[in-house]
Amino acid sequence: GQNIDQPTEMTATEGAIVQINCTYQTSGFNGLFWYQQHAGEAPTFLSYNVLDGLEEKGRFSSFLSRSKGYSYLLLKELQMKDSASYLCAVRADSNYQLIWGAGTKLIIKP
Amino acid sequence: EAQVTQNPRYLITVTGKKLTVTCSQNMNHEYMSWYRQDPGLGLRQIYYSMNVEVTDKGDVPEGYKVSRKEKRNFPLILESPSPNQTSLYFCASSPRTSGANVLTFGAGSRLTVL
Repeated sequence: GQNIDQPTEMTATEGAIVQINCTYQTSGFNGLFWYQQHAGEAPTFLSYNVLDGLEEKGRFSSFLSRSKGYSYLLLKELQMKDSASYLCAVRADSNYQLIWGAGTKLIIKP
Repeated sequence: EAQVTQNPRYLITVTGKKLTVTCSQNMNHEYMSWYRQDPGLGLRQIYYSMNVEVTDKGDVPEGYKVSRKEKRNFPLILESPSPNQTSLYFCASSPRTSGANVLTFGAGSRLTVL
């Protein structure tokens, strides 16, 4: 079957760094996405990885290892507004269908 | 402004009363999709459409219908709603291009079926 695993909830301190992991087992691989979703709002796109390595975008970075079926989202200099759920999604083939993880709820404390 | 618009945003209805949730996008996207989101389960796809007059079932299509008569619109129809369809619904769209087909989501429609 197809499966994506993420921690259910994480807590971090304002100003610190947090790493949110995502592991996947899928029939194929054609890209991995991270989305941010604030409570009661729509998901918004954060990052896309299709090749191994690190993609940096401001305070947020995303890493992919295809051989290990593993990705992480790294958030630096945490701000209170980063309190949200972070959704990992994999495109397993060449169409546009995504397999979604259940999301990681990140709680930022002062 | 490029956006996906869903209506209604909130709806309380009763079992068996047919309802339609509308979805419209102004980005000329070919691909459109409906998801439901329930606590602890993440996003589950209901139906999707690769283009006009082309629709396919997602992971949880039972109890739902869709149509794609125009490129911009993709309504979700609940013919006979039941309490287990109480959920938060999202419509999303993306272009059909290679690489990162980033989904743009609507604001969501919170449906309660009594």
